[in-house]
Amino acid sequence: AQKVTQAQTEISVVEKEDVTLDCVYETRDTTYYLFWYKQPPSGELVFLIRRNSFDEQNEISGRYSWNFQKSTSSFNFTITASQVVDSAVYFCALSEAPQGDDKIIFGKGTRLHILP
Amino acid sequence: EPEVTQTPSHQVTQMGQEVILRCVPISNHLYFYWYRQILGQKVEFLVSFYNNEISEKSEIFDDQFSVERPDGSNFTLKIRSTKLEDSAMYFCASSSPGVATSGVSTDTQYFGPGTRLTVL
Repeated sequence: AQKVTQAQTEISVVEKEDVTLDCVYETRDTTYYLFWYKQPPSGELVFLIRRNSFDEQNEISGRYSWNFQKSTSSFNFTITASQVVDSAVYFCALSEAPQGDDKIIFGKGTRLHILP
Repeated sequence: EPEVTQTPSHQVTQMGQEVILRCVPISNHLYFYWYRQILGQKVEFLVSFYNNEISEKSEIFDDQFSVERPDGSNFTLKIRSTKLEDSAMYFCASSSPGVATSGVSTDTQYFGPGTRLTVL
């Protein structure tokens, strides 16, 4: 069965601190995609990253970085030098062997508060 | 950049009434989806739609729900007789898969901004 676990329900950090959001996934497939989405207070889902199971290389995009480790089934997300605008709910998600009609399974999300 | 659009942004209805949520997927996309997010909870898959029929549906998607692609551009979700627990944000998504040499799709699902449904 496919499952995404985000153990951190809520995190608060002071602005400029680094913060890591954890994500652990379960899947029987060897081919799958992992995602991170941001949901600001306005409610829309903002796509951040998609990573396929064949690519374990870590990725950095500005202040954001992702650490994908198949050995521990984890796909963690780090924000460096956090800013107040980073305050949002962040969802980790999984799609098994996406051939266009595969649903995305979301974790429960981590609510991130960046305090000024 | 092409985007998925949804109307209305907010719908208020009385319990027992029918509602239709509308989505315009990205024009060359072939797969369409509806997801639901009850306030404060995770985003849940409802249904996927391809080639004018449902590909997969979740347990949530019972007989009260239906989807339709009435023309070449719209994709709708109908709730026949709304219940209080149908109050949620409903997200539409679309995708157009390609297949890379690894056998893995090259595209992803693009989400619309959501319709907030409030059932009174």
